[in-house]
Amino acid sequence: GAVVSQHPSRVICKSGTSVKIECRSLDFQATTMFWYRQFPKQSLMLMATSNEGSKATYEQGVEKDKFLINHASLTLSTLTVTSAHPEDSSFYICSAQSGANQPQHFGDGTRLSIL
Amino acid sequence: AQTVTQSQPEMSVQEAETVTLSCTYDTSESDYYLFWYKQPPSRQMILVIRQEAYKQQNATENRFSVNFQKAAKSFSLKISDSQLGDAAMYFCAYRSAQGAQKLVFGQGTRLTINP
Repeated sequence: GAVVSQHPSRVICKSGTSVKIECRSLDFQATTMFWYRQFPKQSLMLMATSNEGSKATYEQGVEKDKFLINHASLTLSTLTVTSAHPEDSSFYICSAQSGANQPQHFGDGTRLSIL
Repeated sequence: AQTVTQSQPEMSVQEAETVTLSCTYDTSESDYYLFWYKQPPSRQMILVIRQEAYKQQNATENRFSVNFQKAAKSFSLKISDSQLGDAAMYFCAYRSAQGAQKLVFGQGTRLTINP
């Protein structure tokens, strides 16, 4: 149980392209989803927290117009990297939580490479 | 703001031996959760063990156990009978029991298992 699917697993695209990453909770309803970014050999850094039906809460330093987050249903959240540039290349991971004080379950991550 | 510190960037252990990974944290809260996550080369985040701060008893999951010292704000992970499959990055994480449910991660410890 508690499976989180993240798609795509790998994206390679040209600079200036917008990229959408999906995060789905397959067997539970996720009231809250989280988006993290991980640079090579570093820890996970929280980008934003999204609650179903409301605007995402972004961490300090994360551009909300650059990283658009939509949490339209209890099983799906999307992260769109708009007009991506090489510096946006990273590993992006989502997690989902079914309720307060419940464990976060992680997707398998998306490796984004901008040429 | 809460912080999590893992002072051991790398650790190694012989197969079948025991290893302890260190983690300290800083918080002014009294109610919170602590976690150890494992990230193998596949980059998937796997929950290893979880501890509620209000519980004095240390959590145990098969070969994995923690030494939770609340007054010292220390939360170490002990892996007994180490196996080759235990090789991974290990992240210690903190989560408040109130308000935002976001995880704060330590820098990680890379564990190598020597056959």
